Amino acid sequence: DIQMTQSPSSLSASVGDRVTITCQASQDISNYLNWYQQKPGKAPKLLIFDASNLETGVPSRFSGSGSGTDFTFTISSLQPEDFATYYCQHYDNLPPMLFTFGPGTKVDIK
Amino acid sequence: QLQLQESGPGLVKPSETLSLTCTVSGDSISSSHYYWGWIRQPPGKGLEWIGNIYYTGSTYYNPSLKSRVTISLDTSKNQVSLKLSSVTAADTAVYYCARTLVVADIFTFDYWGQGTLVTVSS
Repeated sequence: DIQMTQSPSSLSASVGDRVTITCQASQDISNYLNWYQQKPGKAPKLLIFDASNLETGVPSRFSGSGSGTDFTFTISSLQPEDFATYYCQHYDNLPPMLFTFGPGTKVDIK
Repeated sequence: QLQLQESGPGLVKPSETLSLTCTVSGDSISSSHYYWGWIRQPPGKGLEWIGNIYYTGSTYYNPSLKSRVTISLDTSKNQVSLKLSSVTAADTAVYYCARTLVVADIFTFDYWGQGTLVTVSS
């Protein structure tokens, strides 16, 4: 089974800061990786798909990169509404279909 | 505008079967472009994929839950159902239904319901 890890598990940052979260897969997953944002009491929201593609309507301060086993999610200038938990998620589109979420990274206010 | 709404009992007794329904409005669950999935989140913890279903009825389950999970479609009501048998306290979670969009072999959970909390307790 493919395992997903994220680091850090939490971080404190200020408005305007550049924030970087990493996600690592236990084996090569090509670019089959998405990123989601979840605010307390809300459902997750898709931000980045296929490792580096910005979902329609998502601000350009969010970006993703990487391929293989190592991926990075970046917020270029943290805004007040960005304080949330971020999850990476691998999808295996070959049978059997399988989706695996990372453990999450909580971004809170310094 | 696509909307997904989960419904079902908020309290289930240990060893019983958890049953939830996701009512989809604004789109047809019979579309070939989408799968429909269930994801859960225990209080204060991360997300866990439960399973997906395609309009053909083909199902795909998390291996860790496969022996206890059944996902089905009711196309007449545009609903997706989840059944999880032999529940324990570890199954206490917010349960989300989500549309899985498939474009060029890219799979995303692009629309989510608001989630419903199910507590397993006697």
